[in-house]
Amino acid sequence: SSELTQDPAVSVALGQTVRITCQGDSFRSYYASWYQQKPGQAPVVVIYGKNNRPSGIPDRFSGSSSGNTASLTITGAQAEDEADYYCNSRDSSGDHVVFGGGTKLTVL
Amino acid sequence: EVQLVESGGGLVQPGGSLRLSCAASGFTFSSYWMSWVRQAPGKGLEWVANIKQDGSEKSYVDSVKGRFAISRDNAKNSLYLQMNSLRAEDTAVYYCARDIIVATENWFDPWGQGTLVTVSS
Repeated sequence: SSELTQDPAVSVALGQTVRITCQGDSFRSYYASWYQQKPGQAPVVVIYGKNNRPSGIPDRFSGSSSGNTASLTITGAQAEDEADYYCNSRDSSGDHVVFGGGTKLTVL
Repeated sequence: EVQLVESGGGLVQPGGSLRLSCAASGFTFSSYWMSWVRQAPGKGLEWVANIKQDGSEKSYVDSVKGRFAISRDNAKNSLYLQMNSLRAEDTAVYYCARDIIVATENWFDPWGQGTLVTVSS
């Protein structure tokens, strides 16, 4: 079982704001990174570190962290944001890497 | 362009072996940790293994320890995953990913397109 816990599914109305969360003790020591995966495609990083976006990722994506919870926020969700989202971090020991179980985002 | 291309996947019987390869281009391969991440059909992502820049450190998820071996050839800009004693539960798409580690930050970018490994009789 994953050391990082995500809600399996979240929905958002087009143009509204949605927050996807990831819980894990490792966030007290390490930052989360977030990945978007669309059907049949490889994952793509959308947020890493404290709140960094790779080039090409829209600024409607942002990240934050508080205690043992990391969050990915999409401000003004678009139809093309419909995808699976995964969080990732080191585990509590720092020796291994772990992923959350994933959240399926539906844009209504 | 930074690119990773996996190869070597296929159908293998339980107990069999397979060697995956990942060809890297567009960046200084020898300067980065590298990882393998897998995704079983319809399931989430699972980190499998990673390897330090010079190959001196390797880590594995518990479920593959003693069966899988990660290695790299910096002269060939290539990453490998030797998979032995394969089980049905190892069936997955295997992705190669550049593993970026900066203090308390760790992320994967980019990812390859993946190669499918099917373990079945």
